[in-house]
Amino acid sequence: DIVMTQSPESLAVSLGERATINCKSSQSVLYSSNKKNKLAWYQQRPGQPPKLLIYWASTRESGVPDRFSGSGSGTDFTLTISSLQAEDVAVYYCQQYYSPPWTFGQGTKVEIK
Amino acid sequence: QVQLQESGPGLVKSSETLSLTCSVSGGSISAYYWSWIRQPPGKGLEWIGYIYNSGSTNYNPSLKTRVTISVDTSKNQFSLQLTSVSAADTAVYYCAREFYDSDGIHVFDFWGQGTMATVSS
Repeated sequence: DIVMTQSPESLAVSLGERATINCKSSQSVLYSSNKKNKLAWYQQRPGQPPKLLIYWASTRESGVPDRFSGSGSGTDFTLTISSLQAEDVAVYYCQQYYSPPWTFGQGTKVEIK
Repeated sequence: QVQLQESGPGLVKSSETLSLTCSVSGGSISAYYWSWIRQPPGKGLEWIGYIYNSGSTNYNPSLKTRVTISVDTSKNQFSLQLTSVSAADTAVYYCAREFYDSDGIHVFDFWGQGTMATVSS
């Protein structure tokens, strides 16, 4: 199985400030056929199911605010919230879809400082 | 808009079988992959498996010997059976649509609200 490791486990950021979450995969998830990374990010607000934010490591899902961005390649990825809003308080997960079983990181909790 | 709703007993006895159903509305179940994902209390997400093409399945090897996912296209529903459950299977169980295309994307774009299943001794 591909192991996904996120850091930090939690972070507290002031409103309007930048939040950065890292995700590392135990092997490369770069798909040679299209040179894209098979990596997605989800947001899970308290008491809610996860919501897809980003796929192919950097493509925002329709309707996702542009303050959310994804970057990285190979084994190292980053989710950035450029200007934290109150509604962004949540746990964020990365997920690889390079090879089954699909696996998730352990989650990063984002709070307001 | 696709909507999913899980249903099933919230309490299951240890060593018995957990059975859950996901009802899909707003789209045909025949055209996509459909997955079950679980989340133990206070913990992360674990993909259980998917069904597609009205019957082909792929399961997480960690659960493969105990899992069956099936589909009823006439009711636009798919189901999960997990046998020989223990306390470690206590979790919120989500059903989700797994979006797939020819590039090999496999992401979960629509989710149910989740149903809590507790295994009691």
